[in-house]
Amino acid sequence: GDSVTQMEGPVTLSEEAFLTINCTYTATGYPSLFWYVQYPGEGLQLLLKATKADDKGSNKGFEATYRKETTSFHLEKGSVQVSDSAVYFCALSDQENFVFGPGTRLSVLP
Amino acid sequence: SAVISQKPSRDICQRGTSLTIQCQVDSQVTMMFWYRQQPGQSLTLIATANQGSEATYESGFVIDKFPISRPNLTFSTLTVSNMSPEDSSIYLCSVVRGFYNEQFFGPGTRLTVL
Repeated sequence: GDSVTQMEGPVTLSEEAFLTINCTYTATGYPSLFWYVQYPGEGLQLLLKATKADDKGSNKGFEATYRKETTSFHLEKGSVQVSDSAVYFCALSDQENFVFGPGTRLSVLP
Repeated sequence: SAVISQKPSRDICQRGTSLTIQCQVDSQVTMMFWYRQQPGQSLTLIATANQGSEATYESGFVIDKFPISRPNLTFSTLTVSNMSPEDSSIYLCSVVRGFYNEQFFGPGTRLTVL
């Protein structure tokens, strides 16, 4: 079945550092790909999405590119802030299933 | 997007009791989903709730433990029955919107069972 794998956390960075959170997926079709963010004490918010190969999703300085050849959707941000501290979930949807990765906790230190 | 509210936002309950969680959506949706997020873990789908029919439960979840109601297209409830400390989790409802099946989540209900 479909699956999503993320890099294990926690990830700890200093403010203004570059962020990469790796995500790879396994799917039989052509899924849509998503990144969700969960801030402390809150529910999940959709951060960005990409719906076909080579699409780049972006929001709030975060970016991720749908790479079909490597089945990846890595999340990047050029300069993280303390307010970006949260848990990040990679996910896919193939019209029948919605599959979440295990989540990666990010802590940004001032 | 979708505006989703949940009640209660958190609760502390005694072992053996039951808690009903409400989920309200700002507009009509066909399917609503209930997830459990155990401490430090990812989301696990409990069931899918369609209006006018029985909920569809995922492996490991049963109706007697997690009865669900879906009386109309904007509302659903999940009951956690005969609770034990292992039921301490965040319970989230969600809906799907858009052609690409984006999921939108409520703020969650944080349940602690003593």
